[in-house]
Amino acid sequence: EPEVTQTPSHQVTQMGQEVILRCVPISNHLYFYWYRQILGQKVEFLVSFYNNEISEKSEIFDDQFSVERPDGSNFTLKIRSTKLEDSAMYFCASSEDNRQEWSYEQYFGPGTRLTVT
Amino acid sequence: LAKTTQPISMDSYEGQEVNITCSHNNIATNDYITWYQQFPSQGPRFIIQGYKTKVTNEVASLFIPADRKSSTLSLPRVSLSDTAVYYCLVGDNTIGYSTLTFGKGTMLLVSP
Repeated sequence: EPEVTQTPSHQVTQMGQEVILRCVPISNHLYFYWYRQILGQKVEFLVSFYNNEISEKSEIFDDQFSVERPDGSNFTLKIRSTKLEDSAMYFCASSEDNRQEWSYEQYFGPGTRLTVT
Repeated sequence: LAKTTQPISMDSYEGQEVNITCSHNNIATNDYITWYQQFPSQGPRFIIQGYKTKVTNEVASLFIPADRKSSTLSLPRVSLSDTAVYYCLVGDNTIGYSTLTFGKGTMLLVSP
């Protein structure tokens, strides 16, 4: 069964450093997403991406965040200057174009645990 | 976006049927109801979705009454591996994709 993959599984960085989290969505999917989950809290939507541009973003997704699909397979989340409060599990997800079948099914990756010290 | 309310936690034993009810009093006409499951340190996983009446797949059933103000996820004969957080989500799906808004979910603990 196809799956979303994410690298690295765990990233430790110092405050103020830049990090890039990588994701490989399912190959025939058209929509890509990033979510985050701070330990013990809810899963929070960050951004959705379609046709090489951002479709929607949350208030969390401010100027320190950016997303990119640099080639045909990878989807990345960059955090420019990390803060302590950016420590969380970051999940990438992908989905098909669901206008035909009214599906809410998104496929999530295993996550990258980001620890900012 | 319709707000959802579900129990914070539930306990069950192996082999029992578990029903988790979610309230969504302000559900809109275009809104669908979706349930996700999340194991510790893993990403959420889609379980089932529905609009009205009953939907069944190989994992669960979803019961939605006529007024659609609530829904019940039914897990038949749970096992220890069904211990997870279960999320009820309600939202609109008219634009080709869906932004998922998760609540706190229901922590289901299945014991031997």
